[in-house]
Amino acid sequence: DIVMTQSPDSLAVSLGERATINCKSSQSVLYSSNNKNYLAWYQQKPGQPPKLLIYWASTRESGVPDRFSGSGSGTDFTLTISGLQAEDVAVYYCQQHYSSPPTFGQGTKLEIK
Amino acid sequence: QLQLQESGPGLVKPSETLSLTCTVSGGSIRSNSYYWGWIRQPPGKGLEWIGTIYYSGTTYYNPSLKSRVTISVDTSKNQFSLKLSSVTAADTAVYYCAKTALSSGWSFTDYWGQGTLVTVSS
Repeated sequence: DIVMTQSPDSLAVSLGERATINCKSSQSVLYSSNNKNYLAWYQQKPGQPPKLLIYWASTRESGVPDRFSGSGSGTDFTLTISGLQAEDVAVYYCQQHYSSPPTFGQGTKLEIK
Repeated sequence: QLQLQESGPGLVKPSETLSLTCTVSGGSIRSNSYYWGWIRQPPGKGLEWIGTIYYSGTTYYNPSLKSRVTISVDTSKNQFSLKLSSVTAADTAVYYCAKTALSSGWSFTDYWGQGTLVTVSS
């Protein structure tokens, strides 16, 4: 299985500032035939299911605010939230779907400082 | 708008079989090329993919659970189901039903049910 490791485990950021969450895969999730990174990001608020934010490492899902952005390739990826808002408090997960079984990072808890 | 809703017992005894059903509304389980599946989350912990099924019956399972998992589909009811046998306390989790975003059995997920907590306890 591909192991996904997120850092940090928790993060406190002031309102309006930038939050950066990292995700590293134990092997590349870049599919050479289509040059796509099989990496997605989810946001999970308490008592709710995860919500898809980003797929193909950098494509925002419809309706997701543009303060959320994804970057990276191969084995190293980043989710950036620019201009943190109170409603962004949540746990964020990365997931690889390059190979089965698809696997998730352990999650990063984002709080307001 | 597509909606998924889990149903089933919230309490299962150790060594017995956990059974859940997901009802899909707002769309047909036979439409397009998507897979339908299950993901679980132990209380306070991360997400674990259990497996998926195509409306034709093709399944993919997590090898870590494969010996105990069966996912089935009932297209006439627009439902799919999960059975997990020989459960232990480690199987206590919120179980989510979900739809894949791509025509791949292990694609990322774009629709989730609200989740149902299943506790394994005598």
